Amino acid sequence: SQQGEEDPQALSIQEGENATMNCSYKTSINNLQWYRQNSGRGLVHLILIRSNEREKHSGRLRVTLDTSKKSSSLLITASRAADTASYFCATGPTSGTYKYIFGTGTRLKVLA
Amino acid sequence: AAGVIQSPRHLIKEKRETATLKCYPIPRHDTVYWYQQGPGQDPQFLISFYEKMQSDKGSIPDRFSAQQFSDYHSELNMSSLELGDSALYFCASSDQETQYFGPGTRLLVL
Repeated sequence: SQQGEEDPQALSIQEGENATMNCSYKTSINNLQWYRQNSGRGLVHLILIRSNEREKHSGRLRVTLDTSKKSSSLLITASRAADTASYFCATGPTSGTYKYIFGTGTRLKVLA
Repeated sequence: AAGVIQSPRHLIKEKRETATLKCYPIPRHDTVYWYQQGPGQDPQFLISFYEKMQSDKGSIPDRFSAQQFSDYHSELNMSSLELGDSALYFCASSDQETQYFGPGTRLLVL
């Protein structure tokens, strides 16, 4: 069964607005990563946040991690039409495993 | 920078046939992962290899097998193909922290 659950499953916003996606997970993690996937394409790594970090920024991306609530959020500021894609969170392997677990993804549509 | 290479990019097979997918990881990455992604679904972890040894197993059917070779490339062998095996198959390699994905192989089973 999937570890990560993301909400919303689909999000439609206007260009220039901010988009927030959430991810919850069930077990302890070493890190959590966010990926973007354009339709039918490969997954592109966006950002990694380690379990001892609370917030991380990369360009227009801001990721938070709350290990007490086992949740993370991805904020895309000043969205562009090119941000239209599916966004997945994946929880990184804990000690003794080499397995990443993906959430169900949020389909973001940015309208021009 | 070198990326993960997968071949073939597209594959069409008949039911009950076999297929072999290949993955060439980023140089010096010691871990390779295979994922299956059905239409509209999230990627499902199949199997991983660390230093040429199987390290983790996910929801990989018994009809599938995989291995990692001495040059670190990996192959996913799929036998007795079923219609439900039609999906995107991704390979990823990692430097123990971040996974980098290949472009995927789109398999269509008719």
